[in-house]
Amino acid sequence: DQQVKQNSPSLSVQEGRISILNCDYTNSMFDYFLWYKKYPAEGPTFLISISSIKDKNEDGRFTVFLNKSAKHLSLHIVPSQPGDSAVYFCATAVYSGGGADGLTFGKGTHLIIQP
Amino acid sequence: EAGVAQSPRYKIIEKRQSVAFWCNPISGHATLYWYQQILGQGPKLLIQFQNNGVVDDSQLPKDRFSAERLKGVDSTLKIQPAKLEDSAVYLCASSRWTLEQFFGPGTRLTVL
Repeated sequence: DQQVKQNSPSLSVQEGRISILNCDYTNSMFDYFLWYKKYPAEGPTFLISISSIKDKNEDGRFTVFLNKSAKHLSLHIVPSQPGDSAVYFCATAVYSGGGADGLTFGKGTHLIIQP
Repeated sequence: EAGVAQSPRYKIIEKRQSVAFWCNPISGHATLYWYQQILGQGPKLLIQFQNNGVVDDSQLPKDRFSAERLKGVDSTLKIQPAKLEDSAVYLCASSRWTLEQFFGPGTRLTVL
């Protein structure tokens, strides 16, 4: 049973346009939601996160939206650049006070930015 | 600040052989994680250490996998004996008291 679902294995977007990556989760206990970016032969790198008490967090070209009632979050990248081509993982965490528990990841979405 | 180091980067073994992976976390990071990423899947947590104590190993196949973190710094993950389905990338990550986990480049294991 997948607790975190990314239903689009791949997404192709034209350079300069908006990229929207989606993620659904099933467990209401999750406190935090994170997006990681991964290039081939490298480990995932942290991109942006959002707490369950917020519905939006912005960092430069990246914005994450959280809809708790729908158990859905999305990552918006505006404008999309060629360097954004990578696999994006949605991840969730339970924060247990003394530190974060291990992350639960989705399967990832391969974003391809077309010139 | 140096990142998370892992070795080896690649390993090919035959089934039923043993293999070990090494991880050196970022200096000062108390929490260390090992993840398994099978092709086409997201990383799956195997074990989490807080300093040198185990916090969560509920998804570690303990009949064949073992891990230790000596002196709360470096960690090793061992598989003995390996099965075909263990072919995956093994990722090590570390963090301070925050949510952000820093990942190493991973070790790609192929079991033939």
